[in-house]
Amino acid sequence: NAGVTQTPKFRVLKTGQSMTLLCAQDMNHEYMYWYRQDPGMGLRLIHYSVGEGTTAKGEVPDGYNVSRLKKQNFLLGLESAAPSQTSVYFCASSYGQGGYGYTFGSGTRLTVV
Amino acid sequence: GQSLEQPSEVTAVEGAIVQINCTYQTSGFYGLSWYQQHDGGAPTFLSYNALDGLEETGRFSSFLSRSDSYGYLLLQELQMKDSASYFCAVRDSNYQLIWGAGTKLIIKP
Repeated sequence: NAGVTQTPKFRVLKTGQSMTLLCAQDMNHEYMYWYRQDPGMGLRLIHYSVGEGTTAKGEVPDGYNVSRLKKQNFLLGLESAAPSQTSVYFCASSYGQGGYGYTFGSGTRLTVV
Repeated sequence: GQSLEQPSEVTAVEGAIVQINCTYQTSGFYGLSWYQQHDGGAPTFLSYNALDGLEETGRFSSFLSRSDSYGYLLLQELQMKDSASYFCAVRDSNYQLIWGAGTKLIIKP
């Protein structure tokens, strides 16, 4: 069982470039999330989805877009990368929304220069 | 605003017991979770408390007092592999998980 798979694991972008981070889960979870983690800070929610075809904004959505065309996939797009988006990005999925038993992917370390 | 407060760093000795505290101020409360994250790794779920009291899972226990907006994670018989960061998180009334900044646990032999 793979759980949650994120690609790529590392990426360097130039300011203004765009990219898409891919997240796939094989646990049939309804809920999926994109977080960013910066040094000395907890995880901050970017966008989330409560089911196929639905998305919603989290705490820090500006500069990002998401799509959930299939239940198992959740894509995070950076439209025009900025140095402030240098971070580690984690995708997670869960059966419910209570904070119980989130499963995280291994993360994507993104550097914007 | 919403916030979770936990110590930034805790140091303990191998074989000992350590407690990591978490106090929270959130709009609504629907459960306190604890996650472990090793350096360079992903967070992994440890425990969840929705009601007051102690939940035990092997060497790890988690406690919640909703009246005090307080919880803690208790780690017993510490092993070197327990060296990691520990995060508390609370689900608020907007169905979002609010995270603390994390506590780095340093274990000395």
